[in-house]
Amino acid sequence: EAQVTQNPRYLITVTGKKLTVTCSQNMNHEYMSWYRQDPGLGLRQIYYSMNVEVTDKGDVPEGYKVSRKEKRNFPLILESPSPNQTSLYFCASRTGSSMNTEAFFGQGTRLTVV
Amino acid sequence: QQQVKQSPQSLIVQKGGIPIINCAYENTAFDYFPWYQQFPGKGPALLIAIRPDVSEKKEGRFTISFNKSAKQFSLHIMDSQPGDSATYFCAASIRFSGNQFYFGTGTSLTVIP
Repeated sequence: EAQVTQNPRYLITVTGKKLTVTCSQNMNHEYMSWYRQDPGLGLRQIYYSMNVEVTDKGDVPEGYKVSRKEKRNFPLILESPSPNQTSLYFCASRTGSSMNTEAFFGQGTRLTVV
Repeated sequence: QQQVKQSPQSLIVQKGGIPIINCAYENTAFDYFPWYQQFPGKGPALLIAIRPDVSEKKEGRFTISFNKSAKQFSLHIMDSQPGDSATYFCAASIRFSGNQFYFGTGTSLTVIP
């Protein structure tokens, strides 16, 4: 089954404690992205990657890091989480083909930073 | 700055009604306009999409109307059902440029039986 898998689904952590949210896709997609979803603000892109070792900032990259060492994985790293990073996070992937631009989303990770 | 403006924020209709969700954009380079549907506890999923060379696209009960000159597009749900209750996001992107999807702020739709 084609899917994007995020882990964990729920996470409560304390300010300053480094954490990683994993994302893996099994569709051999070139493009992967991370979004955060906040009430009234919709989905905002944090970082994206066009292929292995190619990453770039989205609209709200501050406080986040990413890496793309393998095509299937795109982890999101919060080096020193703060309460304003409490949010619902989604990973998405899509093919690099210009003929198919549908983005497939993971189930989401609800992060609470206290 | 919000690249895609979406309204209304929430919408309640009776079963069988036709909810309409509107979006507007400024960047004329956008050439792909998808709508995503999100149920509680799930990630968004593609519902329907349109390119600017057509003014309307219909898939089942869902229709996108596109007005290129006004830089607006809207989603119409015909004969709405309680199972359509979800959050709907419009988005815009440039197909050949990176991976930037710009999403609207979302519309929470409730269809009352």
